[in-house]
Amino acid sequence: GEDVEQSLFLSVREGDSSVINCTYTDSSSTYLYWYKQEPGAGLQLLTYIFSNMDMKQDQRLTVLLNKKDKHLSLRIADTQTGDSAIYFCAETRGNTGKLIFGQGTTLQVKP
Amino acid sequence: SAVISQKPSRDICQRGTSLTIQCQVDSQVTMMFWYRQQPGQSLTLIATANQGSEATYESGFVIDKFPISRPNLTFSTLTVSNMSPEDSSIYLCSVDVVTSGSYEQYFGPGTRLTVT
Repeated sequence: GEDVEQSLFLSVREGDSSVINCTYTDSSSTYLYWYKQEPGAGLQLLTYIFSNMDMKQDQRLTVLLNKKDKHLSLRIADTQTGDSAIYFCAETRGNTGKLIFGQGTTLQVKP
Repeated sequence: SAVISQKPSRDICQRGTSLTIQCQVDSQVTMMFWYRQQPGQSLTLIATANQGSEATYESGFVIDKFPISRPNLTFSTLTVSNMSPEDSSIYLCSVDVVTSGSYEQYFGPGTRLTVT
C-alpha cells in the first residue's frame, strides 16, 4: 500500500522538545523527508534521511528512522513559537521522484 | 537547492473556465512535478513532467482535465480545464535536485485557486 500516517496534532510548551511521528508501509522507500508548511505558505524542505541511515542531526532537528518498524520521527529541540506549523513526512521510492505524503501534523507551541 | 516561482499566486475563477499556472525554476532540472493540496488536506501528485516527453499522470488525473507543458528544463505549465468548485485547491510545482547523490525535492510557493 501507499499509506503514510501521522498523528494530526501536537501541542508543546516553548522550550520543550517536540517529537512528531510518522509510519509508512512501503519497505522500498529510499528517501524520507520532513517538510514544514506555515499558514498560507508553500512547503519548506526541513531535512531528509536516506533509508540506509538510522539517524540524522541538523542543528535543532533530529530524524530517527526505524526501518524494521517503518517508523520515522522528527525531534525539534528547544521548540520556539516560530516552529508552529504543519509538518509533513513524505517518502519517495527509487528514482521516480514521486512523493507520498502523510496527512500532516499540526504543531502548536504555547508560550 | 532550487528557487521556484509560480504565477499566479492566487486566483478566483468562474466554473467552466480554465486557468494556466506557470512554474519557473532558477536552474535546469530533469524532473518537475505538479501536486494538488485540497483545503485542509495533504498533497497528492497530479503528474510528472519531463522535458521532451509527455507528462505521466497519476491515477485519478487525466490529460484532458490537467494538460501540462514542459517546453524546456526550467519551465512548466499546468492548466486546470473546465473548472468546477471541486478544483478549488492549492497547486504546487516541485523539482528534484540531485546533490552529492542525494535527491532533494523543493516546492514552489503554490497557486491558491478558488472556483466559484
